[in-house]
Amino acid sequence: AQKITQTQPGMFVQEKEAVTLDCTYDTSDPSYGLFWYKQPSSGEMIFLIYQGSYDQQNATEGRYSLNFQKARKSANLVISASQLGDSAMYFCAMSKLTSSNTGKLIFGQGTTLQVKP
Amino acid sequence: KAGVTQTPRYLIKTRGQQVTLSCSPISGHRSVSWYQQTPGQGLQFLFEYFSETQRNKGNFPGRFSGRQFSNSRSEMNVSTLELGDSALYLCASIARGKAGLETQYFGPGTRLLVL
Repeated sequence: AQKITQTQPGMFVQEKEAVTLDCTYDTSDPSYGLFWYKQPSSGEMIFLIYQGSYDQQNATEGRYSLNFQKARKSANLVISASQLGDSAMYFCAMSKLTSSNTGKLIFGQGTTLQVKP
Repeated sequence: KAGVTQTPRYLIKTRGQQVTLSCSPISGHRSVSWYQQTPGQGLQFLFEYFSETQRNKGNFPGRFSGRQFSNSRSEMNVSTLELGDSALYLCASIARGKAGLETQYFGPGTRLLVL
């Protein structure tokens, strides 16, 4: 079975500093995708970044980068130059890359990030 | 391109009633997934539809059902509502990328309160 673990329930970061949100996963599948989503208090889940298990390079998307360490089964999200608008809940998620697992994401419990001015 | 739309945004029902939620995916996307989010259980997968067919289903009772129309719009229905069904229901529009990787883009959600 697949499992996502986010061990940091809440984190604080000073504005303009970088922050790392931890995510570890467990799967026996050879191919999978890892995703990060941001959920502000409004409730909408905003897609940030993804990484395929087959990707050799770490994914980057603007101020977001995914530190993918396959051997350690970790997929940490790094946010550089934090902004006040980054304050939100962040979810790590995983999907299998098989036809039998269409449309299903497994989510972690989330990390609440607060950016201090 | 317009994003994912969900209606209604907020809903209050009483136990025993039934409810229907609607989701319109991003134009051109043919696959939709539904999730339930509660403080206790977190985000849980309900089901996924592609071209009007349910392809995958989560571990929810039969009171939870869904369907998809030919224009890719999807509805989910919950019958005989229970207090525990109070949650944020999220719909995701699915884009299929390289090597079969599916990226899900979520709508704003429907907040359901069961009294």
